[in-house]
Amino acid sequence: DAGVIQSPRHEVTEMGQEVTLRCKPISGHDYLFWYRQTMMRGLELLIYFNNNVPIDDSGMPEDRFSAKMPNASFSTLKIQPSEPRDSAVYFCASSLGHQGSPLHFGNGTRLTVT
Amino acid sequence: GEDVEQSLFLSVREGDSSVINCTYTDSSSTYLYWYKQEPGAGLQLLTYIFSNMDMKQDQRLTVLLNKKDKHLSLRIADTQTGDSAIYFCAERRGTGNNRKLIWGLGTSLAVNP
Repeated sequence: DAGVIQSPRHEVTEMGQEVTLRCKPISGHDYLFWYRQTMMRGLELLIYFNNNVPIDDSGMPEDRFSAKMPNASFSTLKIQPSEPRDSAVYFCASSLGHQGSPLHFGNGTRLTVT
Repeated sequence: GEDVEQSLFLSVREGDSSVINCTYTDSSSTYLYWYKQEPGAGLQLLTYIFSNMDMKQDQRLTVLLNKKDKHLSLRIADTQTGDSAIYFCAERRGTGNNRKLIWGLGTSLAVNP
C-alpha cells in the first residue's frame, strides 16, 4: 500500500502565480479531503469529495481556490493567483466509505508564496 | 461551541508514561481519533474509538473515553524519544454522510532522555 501520494513536496512561487497541488488517494478509498495547516489556525478542512463529487467546499477560502477530482485516483487543488497569506502546508487525505473510517494523510505540500 | 481542546505542551522523561488529554463539547460525537505528526510529515493515525466504548488498548497505547465529561485521553506507556511529536485529537459528529472532523490544535510531546 503506497499510501496517499502528494506532489510536489515543496513549492516556492511568487505572488500572483498559479499553483497546482496534486494528490493520488489510496486505491479503493471513496473519500478525498484537502486540508491546510498553519501555526495560527491549525488544520482547516478546505473541501472534500465522495466518489469524485465535491460534497462540502465551505472551507475554501475564496474564489482563488479551486479543486477538482476528474477520476478516483487523482485530485488537484489550484490557487490562482497565489498570495503570501496562502503559504502553508497543504494535506490531502483519503478514507473508505464506512462510517468512522479514519483518514489517511499524505506527507503534504509545503507552499511558500513570496 | 465547536471546540476540541488540548493542552499545547507536555514534557516527560524517557521510560515514563505520557498522558495527553482532550476535551470536546458535542455530545453527538460518534468517533474520536488520535493522530501523531512528526516534523515534516503528514498525520499518522494512531488509534480511534467509537463513542460506545470506554477504553481501547493497542500495545503501548491506551485510550480512555469519559462521555459524561466529554473527555478523551491517550496514554503512552514506556515513552521513548521516538514518541516526540505533535498529537492531535479529532472528533466526528453525528452519522450519515457528514465526514467533517473537528480537530484540536495538537499537543507537542517532548521526551527527555
